[in-house]
Amino acid sequence: DSGVTQTPKHLITATGQRVTLRCSPRSGDLSVYWYQQSLDQGLQFLIQYYNGEERAKGNILERFSAQQFPDLHSELNLSSLELGDSALYFCASSVGAAGDETQYFGPGTRLLVL
Amino acid sequence: GQNIDQPTEMTATEGAIVQINCTYQTSGFNGLFWYQQHAGEAPTFLSYNVLDGLEEKGRFSSFLSRSKGYSYLLLKELQMKDSASYLCAVRATGGGNKLTFGTGTQLKVEL
Repeated sequence: DSGVTQTPKHLITATGQRVTLRCSPRSGDLSVYWYQQSLDQGLQFLIQYYNGEERAKGNILERFSAQQFPDLHSELNLSSLELGDSALYFCASSVGAAGDETQYFGPGTRLLVL
Repeated sequence: GQNIDQPTEMTATEGAIVQINCTYQTSGFNGLFWYQQHAGEAPTFLSYNVLDGLEEKGRFSSFLSRSKGYSYLLLKELQMKDSASYLCAVRATGGGNKLTFGTGTQLKVEL
């Protein structure tokens, strides 16, 4: 158990819908990262927040957005869902934002878009 | 951009030693990580290298050569539970702390 929690574990929804994935980092960690893992793409970095501010951005679609709240939990919002958005979404956290920062991953949310 | 290559699959025998290679191209190298991932589960951290040389941690060791853009993960005394995907990930300078992952090497340990 990494100490990173994610909810929900599983999510089934229809195309065109919107969902919110939630992540709570390890106690004391200020950085949160979101990754998408699909069968054909591997783990892809989406976005990083540090202490409430966006720190780095990957190939995150415009239909996706994220934020980190004052209590440091983070939410990833996925809208206008398409079949291709079906994937495992992982959240990770680290103490700071750079340097020797090991990222610890949560258990993931499995999203299925039908 | 970054490019990371690792073999797709490997098979080894219980009790043996296996070496999983990773080659990378990146502008501004700032560290290489190895993670283990069992199917459907979270990646778990195994090792971190930022300087050349070998880092040893129990049955697992990781090596880095920055000039060659090369790393390997060495697993000794293989156990059945080591059957998993092994992910090589590179961090570049100027990108916060984001990691670029390889597609992973699926290791199967057989009796």
